[in-house]
Amino acid sequence: EDQVTQSPEALRLQEGESSSLNCSYTVSGLRGLFWYRQDPGKGPEFLFTLYSAGEEKEKERLKATLTKKESFLHITAPKPEDSATYLCAVRASGGSYIPTFGRGTSLIVHP
Amino acid sequence: DAGVTQSPTHLIKTRGQQVTLRCSPKSGHDTVSWYQQALGQGPQFIFQYYEEEERQRGNFPDRFSGHQFPNYSSELNVNALLLGDSALYLCASSSTGPEAFFGQGTRLTVV
Repeated sequence: EDQVTQSPEALRLQEGESSSLNCSYTVSGLRGLFWYRQDPGKGPEFLFTLYSAGEEKEKERLKATLTKKESFLHITAPKPEDSATYLCAVRASGGSYIPTFGRGTSLIVHP
Repeated sequence: DAGVTQSPTHLIKTRGQQVTLRCSPKSGHDTVSWYQQALGQGPQFIFQYYEEEERQRGNFPDRFSGHQFPNYSSELNVNALLLGDSALYLCASSSTGPEAFFGQGTRLTVV
């Protein structure tokens, strides 16, 4: 059974204080690992797809990296508008179309 | 591009009633997936529709059913509502790639 564990559950940062969010996964062959941002009461917003170990992607203050067992979302010099819940999901290779989501990390950035 | 749109945004129903939620996919997308997200949890996959047929189903009872129309839009129907069905219902669309793009969700409250 595919599993995704995100840590920490919640993270409070001061504006400008860089940090990383972790997504550990167990999947029988990785088709893709996805990061989403979700604001309260809204649908998840797609950020990145990572396909293989060693891959990195960047968008503004966010950088996602991938190993064979986990992914990190690095946030450099965060701003209050980066406050949101960050979700990680994996899809296994093979015939399944079902993605498995983690419970997310709730990030609050204080000015 | 309007992205994925869902209606209604909020809904209050009484236990035992039936509800229909609607989704229009992102332009160029032919696949629609539905998710249920409880407070503090990641989205849980309900089912996916492709070419007007249910392609895959998650671990949800038969009270949850759906439909996809020739224009790729989709409906989610839930019968015999239970208090535990209260959640944010998300629609996501995709095409050939593994990434899914979400709508803003429908908040369903069952009283």
